Amino acid sequence: GESVGLHLPTLSVQEGDNSIINCAYSNSASDYFIWYKQESGKGPQFIIDIRSNMDKRQGQRVTVLLNKTVKHLSLQIAATQPGDSAVYFCAENMNYGKLTFGQGTILTVHP
Amino acid sequence: KAGVTQTPRYLIKTRGQQVTLSCSPISGHRSVSWYQQTPGQGLQFLFEYFSETQRNKGNFPGRFSGRQFSNSRSEMNVSTLELGDSALYLCASSRGTGDNQPQHFGDGTRLSIL
Repeated sequence: GESVGLHLPTLSVQEGDNSIINCAYSNSASDYFIWYKQESGKGPQFIIDIRSNMDKRQGQRVTVLLNKTVKHLSLQIAATQPGDSAVYFCAENMNYGKLTFGQGTILTVHP
Repeated sequence: KAGVTQTPRYLIKTRGQQVTLSCSPISGHRSVSWYQQTPGQGLQFLFEYFSETQRNKGNFPGRFSGRQFSNSRSEMNVSTLELGDSALYLCASSRGTGDNQPQHFGDGTRLSIL
């Protein structure tokens, strides 16, 4: 469904810990998923993507897991750093150029 | 290579006015999508253009419109502005053809309606 954003979930971690951010998506027909990071005053920044024919994809310090059975995505950030503090959004690709975004999760990393 | 560029960064208008926002996509990208971001509704899809044609549209009133030029640059227009139109308007570009490709966002235009 459409994104709602009144009260964003928050996650607070210590520097060096691993972070896991979760997201439920709405459409079982969605075939492409993206994680974005948004810092204050900036637009969403691409982190990593995954296609529906995969269940795991790794990047630099980040891993995305996809569970199509329960329509769930997660983003794992290894050795979290203060610079990782931001709002994280998952997005599912519906059709031509249309992304439907999750509500977002605020990640705060304490030094 | 240069990212997505949106102008202006900030804009203040009054109710009833109209506004035009501009977006220059990443070189080689032919798809441009527009989103509205507000604290209450989050990120919501407005419309998408590819090769000067609107391929997809979100659930916004007809006051919101857009277009794309032959060089893939895009504009969106909002007419008869309302207080509720205050938001961050984001543009994103992608190649738009073939397999799924990620959309890359600009830093948005912050529109405030007085």
